[in-house]
Order: sequence, then structure tokens, then C-alpha cells
Amino acid sequence: DIQLTQSPSLLSASVGDRVTITCRASHDIKNYLVWYQQKLGKAPKLLIYFASTLQTGVPSRFSGSGSGTDFTLTISSLQPEDFAIYYCQQFDDYPLTFGGGTNVEIK
Amino acid sequence: VELVESGGGLVQPGGSLRLSCAASGFIFSDHYMDWFRQAPGKGLEWVARIRNRNNGYTTEYAASAQGRFTISRDDSKSSVYLQMNSLKIEDTALYYCARDSKKYSHDYWGQGTLVTVSS
Repeated sequence: DIQLTQSPSLLSASVGDRVTITCRASHDIKNYLVWYQQKLGKAPKLLIYFASTLQTGVPSRFSGSGSGTDFTLTISSLQPEDFAIYYCQQFDDYPLTFGGGTNVEIK
Repeated sequence: VELVESGGGLVQPGGSLRLSCAASGFIFSDHYMDWFRQAPGKGLEWVARIRNRNNGYTTEYAASAQGRFTISRDDSKSSVYLQMNSLKIEDTALYYCARDSKKYSHDYWGQGTLVTVSS
């Protein structure tokens, strides 16, 4: 199975901060990497697919980069509605797997 | 697009449940569909996938589901199902169905249905 390691697991930040979350894969997954946002009590929301393609309707302050084994999700200027848990997911091989999540909380 | 899960509930270890997911707002038969789950306070876990008719309705399962769970679909009802047998305490979770976007991602998710396995 492909393991995804996210870091940090907890990130304390302020509104307006630039935030970066990393996701490292145990094998080369090309660009088959997805980022989701999940708020408490809600279903995950698709943010980015193919490592760097922004889903329709997602604000441009979100961006993704990387290929192979190392990926990043960046929020250029954190907004109040961005405080949530972020997950990466790989689509390269079965079983589909997720990172452990990054909880972005208010500092 | 809307996905609505149902069928969750409280079941004893060793018991069975059948989850349903009713889809609307898109051509259901075109899309692969998946089930995911999330144990209380834990992260996301993929459970099973079923491909569309053009791909033979073939299926994939997580190791934790293989041999106990069966995913199926009824395109005439725009619904996907998860038959869960021999349930274990560790199957306790919120179960989500989700639509494969055709772009190696899941773009729509249901609200989830809670399965609790307890004696």
C-alpha cells in the first residue's frame, strides 16, 4: 500500500498567514494527488486534483504543487473559513489512501 | 448533484447492515462510485469502489472490507449500495458515498450515515 505522511499534524496560524502543508508518498504517485478540506461535522470538500489543478469554485488563495513523492498545499492568506482539517489522498494505486490530516487551528 | 446515504444504525458484532446511497442531479450510470468511512475522531478511509457499466461494474475493496463487504449499484435507481456482513466493533464509523469526478478525485460526497457496532 502507498503510505501518505502529512506534516504538520497540527498547525496554529492567524488570519492572513501564509500556510503550507506537506504530503509525502511512500512511492512515486506521479501527480495523482488530491487535497480535501473537511470542517467539523461535514463531508470532505474537494480542493485540488492532479496535485495542482484547482477545483471549480475553490478560492485562488489555495494552490497545490509537487509530483512524484513530495507535494504541498499552500493557502496564501488564511481566512476565517479556512480553519479546518486538510487531507491528501493518492489516486495512483489501490487501495486509495489518505494522509493522516492536518488540523489548521486559530492561533 | 446530491448524494443521500441511508441504512446506518446500531448493530451487534457479527451482524449485517446494508447501506444505500441515492444519487440525483447527474448521469449516475456514467460515473464510478465509492464508499468511504471515518471512525469517530479519526481520519478518512476508502472502503470500496464500483466502476460503471462500460467498465464491467468491476469492484475494488480495501483489505479491511475484502470478503465481508460487497458494493453494488442499480443504475435504474441511481443508487449504490454497501452490504456489510460479519461486522466488527472497528467498523464503527460514519460512512460516506462519493462520486468519482473522472479526474482522479471525488467531487461530490453525501452527508454520511452512522454505523455503530456494539454489543
